[in-house]
Amino acid sequence: DAGVTQSPTHLIKTRGQQVTLRCSPKSGHDTVSWYQQALGQGPQFIFQYYEEEERQRGNFPDRFSGHQFPNYSSELNVNALLLGDSALYLCASSPGTRGYEQYFGPGTRLTVT
Amino acid sequence: GDSVTQMEGPVTLSEEAFLTINCTYTATGYPSLFWYVQYPGEGLQLLLKATKADDKGSNKGFEATYRKETTSFHLEKGSVQVSDSAVYFCALSSSNQFYFGTGTSLTVIP
Repeated sequence: DAGVTQSPTHLIKTRGQQVTLRCSPKSGHDTVSWYQQALGQGPQFIFQYYEEEERQRGNFPDRFSGHQFPNYSSELNVNALLLGDSALYLCASSPGTRGYEQYFGPGTRLTVT
Repeated sequence: GDSVTQMEGPVTLSEEAFLTINCTYTATGYPSLFWYVQYPGEGLQLLLKATKADDKGSNKGFEATYRKETTSFHLEKGSVQVSDSAVYFCALSSSNQFYFGTGTSLTVIP
């Protein structure tokens, strides 16, 4: 059983560019959450998708947007990249009935130069 | 708003020592509480959870009790091993939002 997978593993972008990160949830999971983890910090909640809709959102600007597809996979889009967006982006999936049981992917390391 | 505060590290212990990592929370509702662990080179893993007051979560010899009166969820283990060396995160879930602490790095030396 494949766990949560994310792509790409690493990414380098320039300030002002746009980026798309991808996540495939664990088999049987229908809920996907995205987190930003700066170096030496805990993950910060960006948003959660369930039934192809954003169910909850953390304190992140509108430059951060997402999408969930019918197969439950998800994308995180970040527009107008800033240097401060450099971080590890984590995807977590969970079953809708137990949304707190999150399984995390390995993350995508984004560097903005 | 809701938040989690956990003990700052790093923490260094000898093998077989007793471990406590403190975690306190602030929440307006009735949150679920978690401890996650991140071993070197690996992703975050759920270690244990408690979904209501007085629940005790346990796994791999680790325990934590959800104390509503002190708004705490301290992680304990009676005898740590070298293989427990990792970063430990306390987390809270409320209304489908999640809040993590900043993490506590634990190193266990033989």
